[in-house]
Amino acid sequence: AQSVAQPEDQVNVAEGNPLTVKCTYSVSGNPYLFWYVQYPNRGLQFLLKYITGDNLVKGSYGFEAEFNKSQTSFHLKKPSALVSDSALYFCAVRRGSYIPTFGRGTSLIVHP
Amino acid sequence: GAGVSQSPSNKVTEKGKDVELRCDPISGHTALYWYRQSLGQGLEFLIYFQGNSAPDKSGLPSDRFSAERTGGSVSTLTIQRTQQEDSAVYLCASSEGTVNTEAFFGQGTRLTVV
Repeated sequence: AQSVAQPEDQVNVAEGNPLTVKCTYSVSGNPYLFWYVQYPNRGLQFLLKYITGDNLVKGSYGFEAEFNKSQTSFHLKKPSALVSDSALYFCAVRRGSYIPTFGRGTSLIVHP
Repeated sequence: GAGVSQSPSNKVTEKGKDVELRCDPISGHTALYWYRQSLGQGLEFLIYFQGNSAPDKSGLPSDRFSAERTGGSVSTLTIQRTQQEDSAVYLCASSEGTVNTEAFFGQGTRLTVV
């Protein structure tokens, strides 16, 4: 079975500060990990993914994520937050099963 | 179009009525998924289609829910005898058929059962 945990329902950060949205996973074998963003009244948009290779993955809109196998984590990061980054963020895992399993989502609020 | 298209975008229905939700995936994508997103909840998997294989229906919450995919393209999710607890946003996604590819989502259908 595969599962994803996003331990924070909400993350608050001031504009210009670095942000981190946490994700941990549980899966047998090497995982395929994904981050998606959802803006109000929209579907999910793909941000980045880790398949293999370099543990630091860079994606859209200046976001990056670091795969840590020993901690089974895949935290999303950005060096300098923008108010426009405020949205709902979902982490997802796939391995073996072709059906992605999503976390419950983390609401990111960036204050001006 | 270039993306996943869902219709209608909003649907209000009376309790007990049947509803059909439509999804047009990205052309050439062999995998198609339906998820349900309730307020404050994550994404709940409903059903998965891959090419001509039998669909994975393991996420359907009751026998009132069914889905089909015609010609390996358009999919319809049907909810019979709707209940208030069926109110949610229903999201469709498609992807290439390999496990390491990302899914592309439609904007969803917001279903309200009154």
